[in-house]
Amino acid sequence: EPEVTQTPSHQVTQMGQEVILRCVPISNHLYFYWYRQILGQKVEFLVSFYNNEISEKSEIFDDQFSVERPDGSNFTLKIRSTKLEDSAMYFCASSPATSTRETQYFGPGTRLLVL
Amino acid sequence: TQLLEQSPQFLSIQEGENLTVYCNSSSVFSSLQWYRQEPGEGPVLLVTVVTGGEVKKLKRLTFQFGDARKDSSLHITAAQPGDTGLYLCAGARAGTALIFGKGTTLSVSS
Repeated sequence: EPEVTQTPSHQVTQMGQEVILRCVPISNHLYFYWYRQILGQKVEFLVSFYNNEISEKSEIFDDQFSVERPDGSNFTLKIRSTKLEDSAMYFCASSPATSTRETQYFGPGTRLLVL
Repeated sequence: TQLLEQSPQFLSIQEGENLTVYCNSSSVFSSLQWYRQEPGEGPVLLVTVVTGGEVKKLKRLTFQFGDARKDSSLHITAAQPGDTGLYLCAGARAGTALIFGKGTTLSVSS
């Protein structure tokens, strides 16, 4: 069964450094998402992406964040200058369409630790 | 603020017991998805419900979407230790963002 994959599984970085989290969505899906989950808290929406542009973003997704689909398979989340509070699990998700009735399928996540 | 409230937050039961987890909101959702999440892993989809009053079954799990599409429940019959985990509900309204509840942590002991 097709799956969303994410790399790396874990990332440790120093505050102020840039990180790029990578995702390979399910191959025939057209809509891509990033969510984060701070330890012990709810999963929170960051951004959705379709047709090479951002469809929707949350208040969390400020100027320090950017997303890109550099080729036909990868979807990336970049944090330009990491802060301690960026430490969280980051999940990529994809769906075949953007209907609110459409299921989103999640990857296994990248655990980011900012020191 | 759109909130999805899940209850109970924690549930510890014996193998063979039945249980129900609730997901409530004051907002109407176009669809509601239930996921299960293991520690350190991503949410794994269990089911999506889209029609008010809809009931879906997945082996011993029964999911119901409220008539008004504001609430949902997950009922597990004859729970087994393998059912142990974090159960999340997530609702979709307008737009693309899923709104997650905090989850119910279920522990089933043998």
